Amino acid sequence: QVQLVESGGGVVQPGRSLRLSCAASGFTFSSYGMHWVRQAPGKGLEWVAVIWYDGSNKYYADSVKGRFTISRDNSKNTLYLQMNSLRAEDTAVYYCARGRTPKVSRSYGDAFDIWGQGTMVTVSS
Amino acid sequence: DIVMTQTPLSLSVTPGQPASISCKSSQSLLHSDGKTYLYWYLQKPGQSPQLLIYEVSSRFSGVPDRFSGSGSGTDFTLKISRVEAEDVGVYYCMQGIHLPRYTFGQGTKLEIK
Repeated sequence: QVQLVESGGGVVQPGRSLRLSCAASGFTFSSYGMHWVRQAPGKGLEWVAVIWYDGSNKYYADSVKGRFTISRDNSKNTLYLQMNSLRAEDTAVYYCARGRTPKVSRSYGDAFDIWGQGTMVTVSS
Repeated sequence: DIVMTQTPLSLSVTPGQPASISCKSSQSLLHSDGKTYLYWYLQKPGQSPQLLIYEVSSRFSGVPDRFSGSGSGTDFTLKISRVEAEDVGVYYCMQGIHLPRYTFGQGTKLEIK
């Protein structure tokens, strides 16, 4: 079945780095834009980043721009989020999510129709 | 930046009764392509969010028809015609047109009386 499985979360000290992965299955991964969305403990949802289906464009929330990098390996059906210079305020559950429309080449207007179960990132000394 | 404001932040509903959640955006969500990029999600307790409604009023696959979305411009509403126990959770609206690309409302927690 269609599935997204995140991994790579954990406890990390402020200023350090972490890389999250999201393994996709059950659909043609290379045809869909992919997103990262996070949720701080007890808080609401915050969109983090998007990468187009072919990896040609990437966009970030201001809160992570310059520190986080989204990437994908379509040959491995895997999405990544490289997180550098981590801060306490980056503590959250990180979800990967699929854009609903296949092969869309625009930076707006895509629903997130499939979500992973999330992976927890805790930034603490 | 665009701000999405949901009201109420919580509501308690008797099973079988209707429920309504409002979402207001600080800027119009009507794009020049004619579409309005407003979405609704439900996050059930302990689960990941799930898509309910896209582009204001289109129900996502598998979503019961008791859920409906309406609105235009800056004012939007999610309605549940007859609330069931499985509808409990936090409902989020989201805009998908303005920087920073995608913005969620604060969430509305639905409880069953």
